[in-house]
Amino acid sequence: DQQVKQNSPSLSVQEGRISILNCDYTNSMFDYFLWYKKYPAEGPTFLISISSIKDKNEDGRFTVFLNKSAKHLSLHIVPSQPGDSAVYFCAASADGGTSYGKLTFGQGTILTVHP
Amino acid sequence: DTAVSQTPKYLVTQMGNDKSIKCEQNLGHDTMYWYKQDSKKFLKIMFSYNNKELIINETVPNRFSPKSPDKAHLNLHINSLELGDSAVYFCASSQAWGSYNEQFFGPGTRLTVL
Repeated sequence: DQQVKQNSPSLSVQEGRISILNCDYTNSMFDYFLWYKKYPAEGPTFLISISSIKDKNEDGRFTVFLNKSAKHLSLHIVPSQPGDSAVYFCAASADGGTSYGKLTFGQGTILTVHP
Repeated sequence: DTAVSQTPKYLVTQMGNDKSIKCEQNLGHDTMYWYKQDSKKFLKIMFSYNNKELIINETVPNRFSPKSPDKAHLNLHINSLELGDSAVYFCASSQAWGSYNEQFFGPGTRLTVL
């Protein structure tokens, strides 16, 4: 019963190009979505979030898009840099119900940015 | 200054042993969490404490017992370790309990049960 899915285990991109990481969810109660970045042997670090009342949130090179009707979100990184190479986790939480106050994570996408 | 720290970073032990993992946060947060990342790389919540009170307890075997002596600390004690307990355990904290709070993670403790 994976409620958050990242169907691409890995993505390889050239430096300077756009990276697009995708995430799908099934629980219609989810109303807050986050992206975390994780380097090897470190904990996940928060990158960017979006509330369900918005469809886009931008922070520097990172933009998250939310399509509620499709239950889909994506993270765009433009331009991609080699230092962006990491595992990216999508996470979701709900303002009520059994998912309140906790994050449900996808299984992660390994992004490799080649110089 | 490390915001969320965990000790030890690596833990190798035999089946049947009892072990503890410690977590401390210096962010002044009210809420702390334990997550388990299994071999399939999923991060799943195990427990959450808010102001030292247990508020989330997922379907975790009762061999796992969290303890929060104060708001800045959340320790995880595991009795009678089994092979399936091998995983990376992450501690996290957030300013408050609720759905719009960013969680800050520690570096993880890799537990290997032989």
